[in-house]
Amino acid sequence: GAGVSQSPRYKVAKRGQDVALRCDPISGHVSLFWYQQALGQGPEFLTYFQNEAQLDKSGLPSDRFFAERPEGSVSTLKIQRTQQEDSAVYLCASSLNAGGGSSYEQYFGPGTRLTVT
Amino acid sequence: AQTVTQSQPEMSVQEAETVTLSCTYDTSESNYYLFWYKQPPSRQMILVIRQEAYKQQNATENRFSVNFQKAAKSFSLKISDSQLGDTAMYFCALQPPQGAQKLVFGQGTRLTINP
Repeated sequence: GAGVSQSPRYKVAKRGQDVALRCDPISGHVSLFWYQQALGQGPEFLTYFQNEAQLDKSGLPSDRFFAERPEGSVSTLKIQRTQQEDSAVYLCASSLNAGGGSSYEQYFGPGTRLTVT
Repeated sequence: AQTVTQSQPEMSVQEAETVTLSCTYDTSESNYYLFWYKQPPSRQMILVIRQEAYKQQNATENRFSVNFQKAAKSFSLKISDSQLGDTAMYFCALQPPQGAQKLVFGQGTRLTINP
């Protein structure tokens, strides 16, 4: 079946522009995660959705970052007034279920490479 | 706070050799999950192997195996009979059992398999 898809794969934005990054999770997956991966580093957690509810946004670096998943499927990560430090790969992951003391594998998308000039 | 540390930024071995990647972590939880992920140049993160902290037996997946030392908070990955396709970034990750279950990643080890 189809995996997690993300679009666009590459985005170049001028400093100050707004950008929107899209994630299509695997159909039926309850949980959706966004991670930010700086060049040469490991991914860092941004935010988490269980269906349409955003249950954890503790990793969002500033109020310029906003994420939504209005129908519990597709998610969009929006960055307003982009800055050079926002340049990174943004990874989306989904998993079948959530919590309950069991681990559910997170399936990752290919990521969106954002470059802010 | 939970942290994961990978102390080997880069490693390089010859094809068919065995290589071990190191990972240490810190958590106050008694139960958790540990993972090794592979990220080839194409960027798609792929799960290599998973270990539940409450299981004493080390996980194995074909050529990949782990050495899980809970008391030492160590979780190393051994790749046997390495292949050119194993060339990638490898990330160790920690996941709590409850709540958001977000993954906490290490800094990664760049592994190169030479022909």
